[in-house]
Amino acid sequence: AQSVTQLDSQVPVFEEAPVELRCNYSSSVSVYLFWYVQYPNQGLQLLLKYLSGSTLVKGINGFEAEFNKSQTSFHLRKPSVHISDTAEYFCAVIHAGGTSYGKLTFGQGTILTVHP
Amino acid sequence: EAGVTQFPSHSVIEKGQTVTLRCDPISGHDNLYWYRRVMGKEIKFLLHFVKESKQDESGMPNNRFLAERTGGTYSTLKVQPAELEDSGVYFCASSHRGYRVYEQYFGPGTRLTVT
Repeated sequence: AQSVTQLDSQVPVFEEAPVELRCNYSSSVSVYLFWYVQYPNQGLQLLLKYLSGSTLVKGINGFEAEFNKSQTSFHLRKPSVHISDTAEYFCAVIHAGGTSYGKLTFGQGTILTVHP
Repeated sequence: EAGVTQFPSHSVIEKGQTVTLRCDPISGHDNLYWYRRVMGKEIKFLLHFVKESKQDESGMPNNRFLAERTGGTYSTLKVQPAELEDSGVYFCASSHRGYRVYEQYFGPGTRLTVT
């Protein structure tokens, strides 16, 4: 079984500052990794995903994440945030292969609040 | 392309009543998923349909929950009878087949309150 830990439940930051949202996972098998964002009163939107290849993944809205297999981490970063980035962010994994290929396992979520 | 839609957006029912949630996936998506987020907890997987078949229902909490996807289009999730601990936000998601199966598109959710 896999689990996902998002190390910060809330991250306040000022506009135009850099931000890093941390995510660690544990799994006995290979996993695929995802970051989702949920803006207020909306559904979850896929920001980026890592399936294979380059460990640095670029997503939408200027976000990127780096897969570190040795540290079992997939931290999300943005060099300069905007007010509009205020949202809840979720890290998630899927077991690579097997019949549960559609089962996303989520972390607890990190609320990013960008202050002017 | 229309996104994943869910109905109703909110539902308030009393303990012991029945509620049916509906999800309309993106047209052409064979894969449909249900998830639930109980307040203060992480989003948890309930089940996965491929067309009309249940691929994985390992997350269904108990037999009070019944999911169907007749004809491989929309899906319903019925809770009967509802209990207080069933309160939460129920999300539906869908994805295409092939290499894009891992790109799940989520609906806005149905907020269920059981009183």
